[in-house]
Amino acid sequence: NAGVTQTPKFQVLKTGQSMTLQCAQDMNHNSMYWYRQDPGMGLRLIYYSASEGTTDKGEVPNGYNVSRLNKREFSLRLESAAPSQTSVYFCASRGGSGYRPLRIGANVLTFGAGSRLTVL
Amino acid sequence: DAKTTQPNSMESNEEEPVHLPCNHSTISGTDYIHWYRQLPSQGPEYVIHGLTSNVNNRMASLAIAEDRKSSTLILHRATLRDAAVYYCILSDHGSGNTGKLIFGQGTTLQVKP
Repeated sequence: NAGVTQTPKFQVLKTGQSMTLQCAQDMNHNSMYWYRQDPGMGLRLIYYSASEGTTDKGEVPNGYNVSRLNKREFSLRLESAAPSQTSVYFCASRGGSGYRPLRIGANVLTFGAGSRLTVL
Repeated sequence: DAKTTQPNSMESNEEEPVHLPCNHSTISGTDYIHWYRQLPSQGPEYVIHGLTSNVNNRMASLAIAEDRKSSTLILHRATLRDAAVYYCILSDHGSGNTGKLIFGQGTTLQVKP
């Protein structure tokens, strides 16, 4: 049971290049999320997918696109990378990572290990 | 989304209890209080959540004020591994709950040996 897997772990881009961050979860979760975290800051929500076939903007969607390829996979694309997009990107899915049932009201997100992106 | 206010940083000694406060004066009736923590170089992890009553689990306890305008995360015996950024987050469970969480700055907890 791998949980949430993100690739790549590290990437260096030049301004204007494009790339896609991949995220996959094997926990049969319906909802998935992309966050970014700048140095010394909290996480900010970029896009989310409440269920397969739907995507919605979060707090900071500009410069990004997403695709919910299937229930397992949710990718984040930078069409024309800018230095302001240098950040650590976290993917998450909603639900616990174990087999114990969640208590009512729980919004438990399971996060991946992060992808560190540098745009020069 | 309702906003929370936390101290930027706190210090604790190892094996002593730690009380991490959070103010959420504009909390609505359908908001659940969640706590997450982020260890260095890792993604955040869920710690605990509650609505009105105090809650305990193997990681921590959550004490919620009677008027729900504040809460406290309690680590009963801090260890060096508890050094992390702790986030207090309100999660609206009204209609159309999408599960999205809005993170603030959090409290950086330092634990001294």
